[in-house]
Amino acid sequence: DSGVTQTPKHLITATGQRVTLRCSPRSGDLSVYWYQQSLDQGLQFLIQYYNGEERAKGNILERFSAQQFPDLHSELNLSSLELGDSALYFCASSPGQGDYEQYFGPGTRLTVT
Amino acid sequence: AQSVAQPEDQVNVAEGNPLTVKCTYSVSGNPYLFWYVQYPNRGLQFLLKYITGDNLVKGSYGFEAEFNKSQTSFHLKKPSALVSDSALYFCAVRDPGGYQKVTFGTGTKLQVIP
Repeated sequence: DSGVTQTPKHLITATGQRVTLRCSPRSGDLSVYWYQQSLDQGLQFLIQYYNGEERAKGNILERFSAQQFPDLHSELNLSSLELGDSALYFCASSPGQGDYEQYFGPGTRLTVT
Repeated sequence: AQSVAQPEDQVNVAEGNPLTVKCTYSVSGNPYLFWYVQYPNRGLQFLLKYITGDNLVKGSYGFEAEFNKSQTSFHLKKPSALVSDSALYFCAVRDPGGYQKVTFGTGTKLQVIP
């Protein structure tokens, strides 16, 4: 158990809908990262937050947005969902910007029908 | 831009034999390199990292990796494979100048055959 929690574990929704995925980092970690894992695209970095501020952006679509709250939990919002958005979404955390390894949550499996 | 390549989609090895999972990288400056393992229906778990120092890095579960700057490689190794090592392995490189943006390889499925 990494100490990173993600909810929900599974999510099934229809095209065009909007969903919110939630992540709680390990106690004391200030950085939160979001990744998308799909069979055809592999593991893709989406976005990173550090202590409430956006720090790095990867291959995140404009339909997707994220934020990190004062209590350091983070939410990833996915809107106008398409079939191709079906994937595993992982959150990871690390103690700070100067630290290196990341601790991954168990993921949220999103199925868009 | 940084990149990392895992040339083998799958590696099969007999239990008890040594295993190697290959990784090559491309990054400007000194690389920060990582290996992670993913078991089915689980998140990734950190195995080991190379930042600086000794080229042979030891990590969790008996794994080690050798950093080779001239070949820009960071291969994962284990002297004796276990069936329980069967999993998906990811190599990753971090941009040393960035805010911890990490690029992952495509992953290598390791199958240890009893």
